Amino acid sequence: NAGVTQTPKFQVLKTGQSMTLQCAQDMNHNSMYWYRQDPGMGLRLIYYSASEGTTDKGEVPNGYNVSRLNKREFSLRLESAAPSQTSVYFCASTTSYPGELFFGEGSRLTVL
Amino acid sequence: QKEVEQDPGPLSVPEGAIVSLNCTYSNSAFQYFMWYRQYSRKGPELLMYTYSSGNKEDGRFTAQVDKSSKYISLFIRDSQPSDSATYLCAFDNTNAGKSTFGDGTTLTVKP
Repeated sequence: NAGVTQTPKFQVLKTGQSMTLQCAQDMNHNSMYWYRQDPGMGLRLIYYSASEGTTDKGEVPNGYNVSRLNKREFSLRLESAAPSQTSVYFCASTTSYPGELFFGEGSRLTVL
Repeated sequence: QKEVEQDPGPLSVPEGAIVSLNCTYSNSAFQYFMWYRQYSRKGPELLMYTYSSGNKEDGRFTAQVDKSSKYISLFIRDSQPSDSATYLCAFDNTNAGKSTFGDGTTLTVKP
């Protein structure tokens, strides 16, 4: 079982470049989430999608956009990367809220 | 004020010790209480899930919830080096649509 798959696992960007983080889940889950994790700051929610066709802002949405492409896929886009966006990004999914979140292994992004 | 405060750690204990990890919260709407474990360079995984005050036991792990004091704890008995990880408390309520996490406590169990 693949679970939640994130690509790429590592990425280095220059300030101002754009990129998209991809997330796919094969568990037929309705809700999907994007978090960032920084040292000493825990998991902070960027955006989430309660169901296919809906997206909502989380705690730290500025500088990001998302697309719920279909039930399986939820992408996160950085339009103009900044050093403050250097972080580890986690995608998660759940069949319904409240409930257990299943996380991917993370995407490590460095912005120079 | 943050909705969730987690004991910051880091925590280092000898193998076999009893470990106590703690979180306090301020949002009375929180009804579901979870502990996630995160190994280095991995995503978090659910360890314990409960929705009522009291204790819930699973092997060497016990989750304790005190809703009146807005306080939750995770106890690890007979700690093992394999328990070395970051532990995150998390909270849900019926209507929020998203979980609220503590900042995590990093535990090291030394052989």
